[in-house]
Amino acid sequence: GDSVTQMEGPVTLSEEAFLTINCTYTATGYPSLFWYVQYPGEGLQLLLKATKADDKGSNKGFEATYRKETTSFHLEKGSVQVSDSAVYFCALEHRGSTLGRLYFGRGTQLTVWP
Amino acid sequence: SQTIHQWPATLVQPVGSPLSLECTVEGTSNPNLYWYRQAAGRGLQLLFYSVGIGQISSEVPQNLSASRPQDRQFILSSKKLLLSDSGFYLCAWSVTDWETEAFFGQGTRLTVV
Repeated sequence: GDSVTQMEGPVTLSEEAFLTINCTYTATGYPSLFWYVQYPGEGLQLLLKATKADDKGSNKGFEATYRKETTSFHLEKGSVQVSDSAVYFCALEHRGSTLGRLYFGRGTQLTVWP
Repeated sequence: SQTIHQWPATLVQPVGSPLSLECTVEGTSNPNLYWYRQAAGRGLQLLFYSVGIGQISSEVPQNLSASRPQDRQFILSSKKLLLSDSGFYLCAWSVTDWETEAFFGQGTRLTVV
């Protein structure tokens, strides 16, 4: 079945460091891929998405490219800030019978120190 | 604008007690509604989804049930909680379409003792 495997955390970085959080997926067909972020004390919110192979999603300096050949959707940011500290979830949208069904990874806790 | 309300934020319940978590959405009509759970060390798991009033689909068999008595109200219930029901519960909604994002509530941290 469809699934998402996400890099284990926690990840701790200094401000302005480069960030990569790995995400790989298993799915039939061509799912849409998402990164959601949960800031402390808040609900999940969409960070970026890509709906087909080779698409690049980007938002707030974060980027992720839909790689069909490696079934990956790694999240990157060139220079992290303290305000980026949050939990990041990779997800895919199943293209089967369940409208809008999302499969999530376990989440990766990111802490950025000044 | 659309908003989603979920309560309570935290809950501690004894084993065998009933459960009722409520979620309401404002600013949209006929949304798809979802209940997710994150158990310790696991990703978010879809428990129930609903495409309309009274229409509930269960993704996994368990000790929980869901109801949608009104268009923008989604309730998660249990008659008798188990220790394994502990976790972080999230309500979400989306428009009726593919490739659209889901909007999440703040979540409820449930601890069954």
